Amino acid sequence: KNEVEQSPQNLTAQEGEFITINCSYSVGISALHWLQQHPGGGIVSLFMLSSGKKKHGRLIATINIQEKHSSLHITASHPRDSAVYICAVNMYSGGGADGLTFGKGTHLIIQP
Amino acid sequence: EPEVTQTPSHQVTQMGQEVILRCVPISNHLYFYWYRQILGQKVEFLVSFYNNEISEKSEIFDDQFSVERPDGSNFTLKIRSTKLEDSAMYFCASSEGRGTYNEQFFGPGTRLTVL
Repeated sequence: KNEVEQSPQNLTAQEGEFITINCSYSVGISALHWLQQHPGGGIVSLFMLSSGKKKHGRLIATINIQEKHSSLHITASHPRDSAVYICAVNMYSGGGADGLTFGKGTHLIIQP
Repeated sequence: EPEVTQTPSHQVTQMGQEVILRCVPISNHLYFYWYRQILGQKVEFLVSFYNNEISEKSEIFDDQFSVERPDGSNFTLKIRSTKLEDSAMYFCASSEGRGTYNEQFFGPGTRLTVL
């Protein structure tokens, strides 16, 4: 059974700080997703990656398949980045594993 | 921009009643999913659906749950006899291709409260 662990669970930072959220998983995966969940509950997909690095605006996601580890970075953080950031994975399987396995999320607060 | 929609946004029901949660996936997507999130807990996978049949389901998706695509646009989750522990946010998602290799797009969720 794949476990997805995130750290930290809670993070409070000042506006402008560089933010790093970490995710590790225990078995082989075909893809890893970073998602954002706002207080109203809606979930937005930020990145899907299976290798290397992706960048979108101030967000950067990296993954190291050998170490079973991914990081989400936010540069020049802003109060509007305050949300829960969730790591989720597709387990590698030839015949299934379409459903995502989720981490517990990192609750990020950016103070002005 | 196309989006997944869900209705209702909030459903309150009595224990033992049947509920149907509705979703309209993005129109050209072929794979559909239901997830749930109990308050304060992580999101959990329930079921995936493709070509009018269940593709994959979790241990949570027992006989009280069923899914259906009754027409060309709606995708529904039915809970036959609700229990208090079914109270949760239920998210529908869809993807263009198999979830293993494709980004999933989530709806805003339906908050189910069982009294």
